[in-house]
Amino acid sequence: DSGVTQTPKHLITATGQRVTLRCSPRSGDLSVYWYQQSLDQGLQFLIQYYNGEERAKGNILERFSAQQFPDLHSELNLSSLELGDSALYFCASSARDSTDTQYFGPGTRLTVL
Amino acid sequence: GQNIDQPTEMTATEGAIVQINCTYQTSGFNGLFWYQQHAGEAPTFLSYNVLDGLEEKGRFSSFLSRSKGYSYLLLKELQMKDSASYLCAVSPWMDSSYKLIFGSGTRLLVRP
Repeated sequence: DSGVTQTPKHLITATGQRVTLRCSPRSGDLSVYWYQQSLDQGLQFLIQYYNGEERAKGNILERFSAQQFPDLHSELNLSSLELGDSALYFCASSARDSTDTQYFGPGTRLTVL
Repeated sequence: GQNIDQPTEMTATEGAIVQINCTYQTSGFNGLFWYQQHAGEAPTFLSYNVLDGLEEKGRFSSFLSRSKGYSYLLLKELQMKDSASYLCAVSPWMDSSYKLIFGSGTRLLVRP
């Protein structure tokens, strides 16, 4: 158990819908990273927050957005869902904005039908 | 650009030693990580190298050569539970972020 929690564990929804994935970092960690893992691709970085502020964006679609709240939990919002958005979504946390080890949560498996 | 290469699949025998190689080309370098991932589960941290040389941690060791853009993960005394994917990831320090760039992973099958 990494100490990072994610909810829900599984999510099944239809195309065109909107969902919210939630992540709580390890106690004391200030950085949260979101990654997407689909079958045909490895882990892809989406976005990073540090202490409530957006730090960097990766291959994140405009239909996706995220935020980090004052209690440091983070939410990833996915809208206008398409079949290709089906994937495992992981969040990871690290202590600081540095090369501190990133610890991954159990992931949310999103299935878009 | 960023490029990380690792073999797609490897097979080894229980009790043996296996070496998983990783080569990388990134615009910056702040360290290389190895993670283990069982199917459908979260990646779990195995090792971190930022300086050249070998880091040993129990049955697992990781080596880095920055000049060659090369790393390997060595697993000794293989156990059946070591069957998993092994992910090589580089922290390139891009866009003011310590995000990780992952290779596609090496799927290791340990046979009795």
